[in-house]
Amino acid sequence: SQKIEQNSEALNIQEGKTATLTCNYTNYSPAYLQWYRQDPGRGPVFLLLIRENEKEKRKERLKVTFDTTLKQSLFHITASQPADSATYLCALSPLREAGNNRKLIWGLGTSLAVNP
Amino acid sequence: DSGVTQTPKHLITATGQRVTLRCSPRSGDLSVYWYQQSLDQGLQFLIQYYNGEERAKGNILERFSAQQFPDLHSELNLSSLELGDSALYFCASSPAGGSDWVAKNIQYFGAGTRLSVL
Repeated sequence: SQKIEQNSEALNIQEGKTATLTCNYTNYSPAYLQWYRQDPGRGPVFLLLIRENEKEKRKERLKVTFDTTLKQSLFHITASQPADSATYLCALSPLREAGNNRKLIWGLGTSLAVNP
Repeated sequence: DSGVTQTPKHLITATGQRVTLRCSPRSGDLSVYWYQQSLDQGLQFLIQYYNGEERAKGNILERFSAQQFPDLHSELNLSSLELGDSALYFCASSPAGGSDWVAKNIQYFGAGTRLSVL
């Protein structure tokens, strides 16, 4: 069956450390994968998109990798801050020729707590 | 502020009733998506509209329906409500086509409507 999985356990780290979150998928061949941040009671906010032919993408303190052989994406936050505390969701497009159909399949998210 | 507006923010109703959730996408966005989020199931894609036409369907129940109007706002209708329909309902929008491939695949979410069915 098709699945997208993220660490179900909350991740607690110390301020200044690097947080690494994992997204694994099975039985999909996504053309791209996205990461979003969600704060309690609010809608997800887009962070990064990585395409299947890209190994790594960076934006300020954020870095995402995409390994289509391992069927895994890693999301890193360097020099983490308490303000980075939130739930992080990965999402993939199950269709390779999406056109205007941009259905996304979402992981359940990983909760990150950065302690001062 | 994402630019996507959802109303109402909260809705409390009884089982068997019908409600309508409203979404105004970002200015210029042609695609609208509806999602249901509950604690145990995460974010579930319901349906997508593009410029007034249905484009993709997810796990949307037959009791639920949606439409997108000529001014691009969208409504999600939930009928014969059950306790299990209590959840956060999100609307998202994304830009039309164009040369920026990444930009048109980003979804911008509203603040959601919290539905409580008692």
